[in-house]
Amino acid sequence: DQQVKQNSPSLSVQEGRISILNCDYTNSMFDYFLWYKKYPAEGPTFLISISSIKDKNEDGRFTVFLNKSAKHLSLHIVPSQPGDSAVYFCAASGIGGTSYGKLTFGQGTILTVHP
Amino acid sequence: KAGVTQTPRYLIKTRGQQVTLSCSPISGHRSVSWYQQTPGQGLQFLFEYFSETQRNKGNFPGRFSGRQFSNSRSEMNVSTLELGDSALYLCASSGLAGGSHETQYFGPGTRLLVL
Repeated sequence: DQQVKQNSPSLSVQEGRISILNCDYTNSMFDYFLWYKKYPAEGPTFLISISSIKDKNEDGRFTVFLNKSAKHLSLHIVPSQPGDSAVYFCAASGIGGTSYGKLTFGQGTILTVHP
Repeated sequence: KAGVTQTPRYLIKTRGQQVTLSCSPISGHRSVSWYQQTPGQGLQFLFEYFSETQRNKGNFPGRFSGRQFSNSRSEMNVSTLELGDSALYLCASSGLAGGSHETQYFGPGTRLLVL
């Protein structure tokens, strides 16, 4: 039962263009969502997050959009740079005791930005 | 602030042995979560500790255990190792006491290979 899904295993984008990474979730108890970037043999690096009370959050080149009714979120990277090439994970957390310290991750999307 | 540190970075063990991995959280952080990353299952939550107490546990067998010390440092132990335990083990820390809206910051991981 995969509660967080990233349906695109990979995405290829030209430098300077927009990268859009998508994530869907099924658990309506999730109320906080995060995006992480990961290089091989390293731990995930936090990028940006969004609470369920918002529908958009921006931080520099990164913007996350949340559509609660569709249970869908997306990460936009503008402009994309070759250094953005990595695996991107969407993660979600909920409320209450069974959610303490627990992030549920998607399977990841490999982003490749070509010069 | 120094980030999350994990030791050792790499480990090779044989089936049936046990292993202990260590994690030092970001200074001031009191919550430590552990995750297992494998190619087939992705990032899976193992357990979370806060103030030396396990508050949450994922769906892993009892061979996986952990503890947290008074300085918030944490260890996880895997007994009777199996080939399938080969994975990247990630530790993450967060600062807040609650269960929601916590951003977790990850260490570099310990790569465990079971032969």
